[in-house]
Amino acid sequence: EAQVTQNPRYLITVTGKKLTVTCSQNMNHEYMSWYRQDPGLGLRQIYYSMNVEVTDKGDVPEGYKVSRKEKRNFPLILESPSPNQTSLYFCASRRREAVTDTQYFGPGTRLTVL
Amino acid sequence: GENVEQHPSTLSVQEGDSAVIKCTYSDSASNYFPWYKQELGKRPQLIIDIRSNVGEKKDQRIAVTLNKTAKHFSLHITETQPEDSAVYFCAPLLSGGYNKLIFGAGTRLAVHP
Repeated sequence: EAQVTQNPRYLITVTGKKLTVTCSQNMNHEYMSWYRQDPGLGLRQIYYSMNVEVTDKGDVPEGYKVSRKEKRNFPLILESPSPNQTSLYFCASRRREAVTDTQYFGPGTRLTVL
Repeated sequence: GENVEQHPSTLSVQEGDSAVIKCTYSDSASNYFPWYKQELGKRPQLIIDIRSNVGEKKDQRIAVTLNKTAKHFSLHITETQPEDSAVYFCAPLLSGGYNKLIFGAGTRLAVHP
């Protein structure tokens, strides 16, 4: 089954404690991205990756890092989480060439930073 | 930056009525206009999209219309059902080499039996 998976699905942590949210897709997609969703703001892109070892900032990259060592995985790293990073996070993927292709979303990770 | 606005932000209809959500964008070069549906606690899912070379596309009870001159596109849902209750997002494609979707703030649709 074609899918995007994220782990963990729920996480409560404290300010300053480094964490990683994993994202994996099995569709051989080149393009992957991370979004955060906050009430009244829609989905805002944090980082994206056009292919292995190619990443770039989205609209709200501050406080986040990413890596793309393998095509299927695109982890999101919060080196020193702060309460303003409490949000719902979605990973997504699509084929790079087809910019109008369907973008597939993961199930989401609800993060609370105390 | 690019501006995407959705109206209304909330919409309440009776089952069987029609619902229309409008999305206005600022990038005149945008050529791809999708709508996503997000049910409570679920991930966003593409429900319909349209490319700039057509003015309307229909898929059963849902349709999307595009007015490129006025830079807006709309989602139309006819014969609404309770399972249509969700948050709907427009996400026009930002062109100019960025090739990324810019999401609107969302419209919460409630369909009452």
